[in-house]
Amino acid sequence: DTAVSQTPKYLVTQMGNDKSIKCEQNLGHDTMYWYKQDSKKFLKIMFSYNNKELIINETVPNRFSPKSPDKAHLNLHINSLELGDSAVYFCASSRGSEQYFGPGTRLTVT
Amino acid sequence: AQSVSQHNHHVILSEAASLELGCNYSYGGTVNLFWYVQYPGQHLQLLLKYFSGDPLVKGIKGFEAEFIKSKFSFNLRKPSVQWSDTAEYFCAVNAGFQKLVFGTGTRLLVSP
Repeated sequence: DTAVSQTPKYLVTQMGNDKSIKCEQNLGHDTMYWYKQDSKKFLKIMFSYNNKELIINETVPNRFSPKSPDKAHLNLHINSLELGDSAVYFCASSRGSEQYFGPGTRLTVT
Repeated sequence: AQSVSQHNHHVILSEAASLELGCNYSYGGTVNLFWYVQYPGQHLQLLLKYFSGDPLVKGIKGFEAEFIKSKFSFNLRKPSVQWSDTAEYFCAVNAGFQKLVFGTGTRLLVSP
């Protein structure tokens, strides 16, 4: 009965590769998000989708492309991975102001 | 632009000590304020939130926070911490379009 789930939990890959992270929520929320948490624990929003439409795009490189096939899913695809992409990526969902976070995906680029 | 400042980056306390973590935000409009906690290796969990009404809000696990509009502050408090409170604490403000802006976090270490 996990509310917001992400796969995979850990992802180790080499520079230049393309990878995807999946997110699903079973809360019936209309809005979903991707956040990046860097090595200093700083959390910053990347994208937000409402009913499958992009509403927030926070100056993220074009190599990052979110895709929302339906309201319950928001996937993150990353092309040409770079060392600086190493971080923990959190998915979240909300109806209103309160956001519920997934367990995170720790991405390590070598 | 909206911003959130958490002045205490690292806090070390002994069990039973009282806790207060500072949070200040900059945003002139109506805000919704949150404190989230991240236990080691886990995801963020909501501790408490303020939308309107009583400026003193109670959260889970004995935490509370006070919204002081004139000071643009939303400090987190707990009268007596436990070892299990060791975690990273994030203050956040929702400043429109459901966008959460987070502070840089405060790492709390409680020694038994």
